[in-house]
Amino acid sequence: DAGVIQSPRHEVTEMGQEVTLRCKPISGHNSLFWYRQTMMRGLELLIYFNNNVPIDDSGMPEDRFSAKMPNASFSTLKIQPSEPRDSAVYFCASTLGPTNTEAFFGQGTRLTVV
Amino acid sequence: AQSVTQLDSHVSVSEGTPVLLRCNYSSSYSPSLFWYVQHPNKGLQLLLKYTSAATLVKGINGFEAEFKKSETSFHLTKPSAHMSDAAEYFCVVSEGNFNKFYFGSGTKLNVKP
Repeated sequence: DAGVIQSPRHEVTEMGQEVTLRCKPISGHNSLFWYRQTMMRGLELLIYFNNNVPIDDSGMPEDRFSAKMPNASFSTLKIQPSEPRDSAVYFCASTLGPTNTEAFFGQGTRLTVV
Repeated sequence: AQSVTQLDSHVSVSEGTPVLLRCNYSSSYSPSLFWYVQHPNKGLQLLLKYTSAATLVKGINGFEAEFKKSETSFHLTKPSAHMSDAAEYFCVVSEGNFNKFYFGSGTKLNVKP
């Protein structure tokens, strides 16, 4: 398996634009997580899904952020409109689940909002 | 409630000397515990995991960690540091039916020649 695949690896966009980050989990994994990493806040869990259903989105910072998982092999994180303070590295991770299994992380998307 | 405390934000060692990265956790359940490593501009890679089997866990690259329930600790050690070990290390606890992960704030390991 190729692991968790995220795209794009880098994204530079202007403030106010819509940004969509994509994630393909490892085949057969049934839990998917979106994290944000910044120098100030470290790694923050934004949202996670189990069997394509959002379980906890309490980490989503604002209504500008939304995430979907239309099927077991694809998830998106959308920011609309984007702001400079959204600049961060966004990681997607998946687990075989449901318990006691490690998370496999993608390489991340480095987002810069100017 | 779950939480993870990494006691040192930065650790600096000389190459060839032992490494100790400290982690304490709180958990309402029997926890699963992990250490991840992140090299600069890279994703997170699993070093090792504890899931209620042996309390001394061996991982990749010569790292190991010991689960001590009485101390609620899961410290990461390596007998001899290598330059390639310079990275940031995260202690993680997971709980619950949906395998939710809680990350520590990270410890940056610097290895001096």
